[in-house]
Amino acid sequence: SAVISQKPSRDICQRGTSLTIQCQVDSQVTMMFWYRQQPGQSLTLIATANQGSEATYESGFVIDKFPISRPNLTFSTLTVSNLSPEDSSIYLCSVPQGTGRYYGYTFGSGTRLTVV
Amino acid sequence: TQLLEQSPQFLSIQEGENLTVYCNSSSVFSSLQWYRQEPGEGPVLLVTVVTGGEVKKLKRLTFQFGDARKDSSLHITAAQPGDTGLYLCAGLDSNYQLIWGAGTKLIIKP
Repeated sequence: SAVISQKPSRDICQRGTSLTIQCQVDSQVTMMFWYRQQPGQSLTLIATANQGSEATYESGFVIDKFPISRPNLTFSTLTVSNLSPEDSSIYLCSVPQGTGRYYGYTFGSGTRLTVV
Repeated sequence: TQLLEQSPQFLSIQEGENLTVYCNSSSVFSSLQWYRQEPGEGPVLLVTVVTGGEVKKLKRLTFQFGDARKDSSLHITAAQPGDTGLYLCAGLDSNYQLIWGAGTKLIIKP
């Protein structure tokens, strides 16, 4: 399965600023996914990032707040803009792994964001 | 809105005991995935089950997909401290959307 390098692993940011999170995959993948997770809780999908097209955002998430770039098949960034304390969370990227029906997802190690 | 209810939400047991975690839904899933997540890491895929009634074993972990493909269980035999973590189930629906359970936080005390 693919290996994902996600940076930074954690950051503390001032409200009103932005944080850009990077995910680098060691193989080419068509789709990458960005999630948000409160510690110890489930995952919420923010958006799906496809190379060469605009990201598809889930209900409740907008491009102005969470701009995504996908310049090639191995790399993507998620920016969390105009930060507020409510944005404090863990952000994760993921890519599909496996083939056929027995597939799942590989995740980056996550970025723990604290907004102060 | 499809839901995947996971229970229990929290479980703390002694090393050597057995336990079962459940994922239940009223919806049919084409496949169901189980993940384990440790603090400071992303979820790691444990298994994917796709056929109704399917049983998969991973050492002391046994995964079962319900006959109607609406529910799944994870049974751990003789739990060890290394099993500690957040266990998440996720079902793939007919629109290829991944529906996540709320997670089970498992603590195994030595």
